Amino acid sequence: GENVEQHPSTLSVQEGDSAVIKCTYSDSASNYFPWYKQELGKGPQLIIDIRSNVGEKKDQRIAVTLNKTAKHFSLHITETQPEDSAVYFCAASKNGGFKTIFGAGTRLFVKA
Amino acid sequence: EAGVVQSPRYKIIEKKQPVAFWCNPISGHNTLYWYLQNLGQGPELLIRYENEEAVDDSQLPKDRFSAERLKGVDSTLKIQPAELGDSAVYLCASSVTPNEQYFGPGTRLTVT
Repeated sequence: GENVEQHPSTLSVQEGDSAVIKCTYSDSASNYFPWYKQELGKGPQLIIDIRSNVGEKKDQRIAVTLNKTAKHFSLHITETQPEDSAVYFCAASKNGGFKTIFGAGTRLFVKA
Repeated sequence: EAGVVQSPRYKIIEKKQPVAFWCNPISGHNTLYWYLQNLGQGPELLIRYENEEAVDDSQLPKDRFSAERLKGVDSTLKIQPAELGDSAVYLCASSVTPNEQYFGPGTRLTVT
């Protein structure tokens, strides 16, 4: 089955710096890659996603890149702010499939 | 639009006792998911419903876990009897499309 590995497990950056979180997946049939943000005491919230027919997607300060050949995808947050502090999860699933496999998460700290 | 509602938010029980969690999905969302989230890990699917039908319960430990979704709306997840290792956050999510899932805040279960 699918396996998603995520790193780093913890990331600390200074406010205004960029943060990058990387994930790899094992199932080459996976073609949908969402990223979720989970704040303390809340459920995960979808912040951006990318499909396998696209190499990069951007939404304001966040962007995702996908390398299908290497089975890598990454989340990039620019101009980080203290409110970006949270746990971020990458995930992978197959088209039309409801089974989403999550990475173990990255705890991001943004220091003011 | 109201989000996914879960109750209770917190539950502390002694081992061998039963416990139940309730979820009310977003109106119009036919697909409902129950996930288990251990500390420091990503969510893991326990069961998925399409309306009233459990279409993927392969990861549900059926010796002690059960779930139902009567009338295809609200759902209940039950554990009987609970074990120490069941301490975790139980997340409910719902969706219209197979990919974009909306999560509730979760129920944090502590088994002593």
